[in-house]
Amino acid sequence: DAGITQSPRHKVTETGTPVTLRCHQTENHRYMYWYRQDPGHGLRLIHYSYGVKDTDKGEVSDGYSVSRSKTEDFLLTLESATSSQTSVYFCAISEGGQGNTEAFFGQGTRLTVV
Amino acid sequence: SQQGEEDPQALSIQEGENATMNCSYKTSINNLQWYRQNSGRGLVHLILIRSNEREKHSGRLRVTLDTSKKSSSLLITASRAADTASYFCATKFSGNTPLVFGKGTRLSVIA
Repeated sequence: DAGITQSPRHKVTETGTPVTLRCHQTENHRYMYWYRQDPGHGLRLIHYSYGVKDTDKGEVSDGYSVSRSKTEDFLLTLESATSSQTSVYFCAISEGGQGNTEAFFGQGTRLTVV
Repeated sequence: SQQGEEDPQALSIQEGENATMNCSYKTSINNLQWYRQNSGRGLVHLILIRSNEREKHSGRLRVTLDTSKKSSSLLITASRAADTASYFCATKFSGNTPLVFGKGTRLSVIA
C-alpha cells in the first residue's frame, strides 16, 4: 500500500464545532486531494493541493477549508460542522496532478455530526 | 456536473461469468481510469487508458475507450467472488484539473 495515512479513522462531533482531519503521506507526491463519499453521489472532490501552500477548490468546497504547510501533510477543516457533512472522507495522493498517473487512496475517515 | 456515469448501478452475476460495466462522460478527456473499492476500504487503481488508446488489458481486465461516443467499458472475465466490489470510472479533463469520479457500479459475484 502507498504510504498514506488518515487520522482519525472515526469521529463523532457535535453540530457547530470545528473539526480537522489529517492526511499524511510518505511518498513525496506533489498532489493531494480530499474527497467525500456519500450514497448516491459517488466521490466528490472537496479541495485539492498541487504543492505546498497551493490549493484549489473542488465541486463541494463550501464549509470546508484546507491547509498544506508541508509536502507530507494535507489538513481538511470543517469550520462549523453540520449534519450534512456526515460522510466518509477520503484523502488521495498522486505524483502527477494532470491525472496522468494513478491516485492512491487512504482508508477513509468516517465522520458523524450529531 | 462533469462526473462520468457508470452503468449499470448494480450487477449480480455467477462466479465464472464475465462482468461488463460502462462509463459515459460528457466532454473531451485526456485519460480515463478505473478503480475498485472493497466494502469499507479506500479505492484502488485498476487501469488507465489514454484518449489516443482504444483498448488495454491487465490480467482478467479489459478496458475499451470510444472517444467518439464518449464512453468506456470495463470487462472482468471469469469473475470470482473476490471481485465483489464497487467499480468507479474517473475522468481527467484538459487543463490543470483533478480526477472526477462517477457514482460507481456495485458488482456482486455469487459463488
